[in-house]
Amino acid sequence: QLQLQESGPGLVKPSETLSLTCTVSGGSISGSSYYWGWVRQPPGKGLEWIGDIDYTGSTDYNPSLKSRVTISVDTSKTQVSLRLTSVTAADTAVYYCARRDYVWGSYPLLYFFDYWGQGTLVTVSS
Amino acid sequence: DIQMTQSPSSLSASVGDKVTITCRASQSMSSYLNWYQQKPGKAPQLLIYAASSLQSGVPSRFSGSGSGADFTLTISSLQPEDFATYFCQQSYSMPYTFGQGTKVEIK
Repeated sequence: QLQLQESGPGLVKPSETLSLTCTVSGGSISGSSYYWGWVRQPPGKGLEWIGDIDYTGSTDYNPSLKSRVTISVDTSKTQVSLRLTSVTAADTAVYYCARRDYVWGSYPLLYFFDYWGQGTLVTVSS
Repeated sequence: DIQMTQSPSSLSASVGDKVTITCRASQSMSSYLNWYQQKPGKAPQLLIYAASSLQSGVPSRFSGSGSGADFTLTISSLQPEDFATYFCQQSYSMPYTFGQGTKVEIK
């Protein structure tokens, strides 16, 4: 059974960089057609797609965050990492790692998020 | 960006009720619509993809319909474990966006 597990600091100071890691177990990141990435949810609010990456390193980012976000992959460790720079209180959220899969035969490809980590709360505060 | 609007924002229902949640997109997007269920303190879980395809392991009381800009999630007979928040999500174009959620509460 595929499992995703987020890890990283739960508290980050304003203007600093948020760094999280997602470790994938029960399956491989390499050689697959999936994307692996991040979705966040501010407390009591809705979901926001941040971006994701495939095993070749090809990335897609939400334009609203693109200038501050870097997602990277380490296939040997089956890990995906998130860096978000210059954080503010507005970046306080539960950050989820998620796998993006698609419907075979669809064109353009129809993607959905079918596996999620349990999420990790990151609070931005001094 | 494609804006997703769900209605209602919340509803109260009893076990056994039929529940319908709607999701409207700001532009037509064929069937590029997914539905998720989220319980408190938990990650979202995929229920329906491509507007009407049931994800493996999801009970058949859940169904989805619609295309273009208007979509519906239906729970045919509400069960105690279905009390949760439901989100729609478009995958027609990036950035992928979600509806604001519909909270289903116990009457």
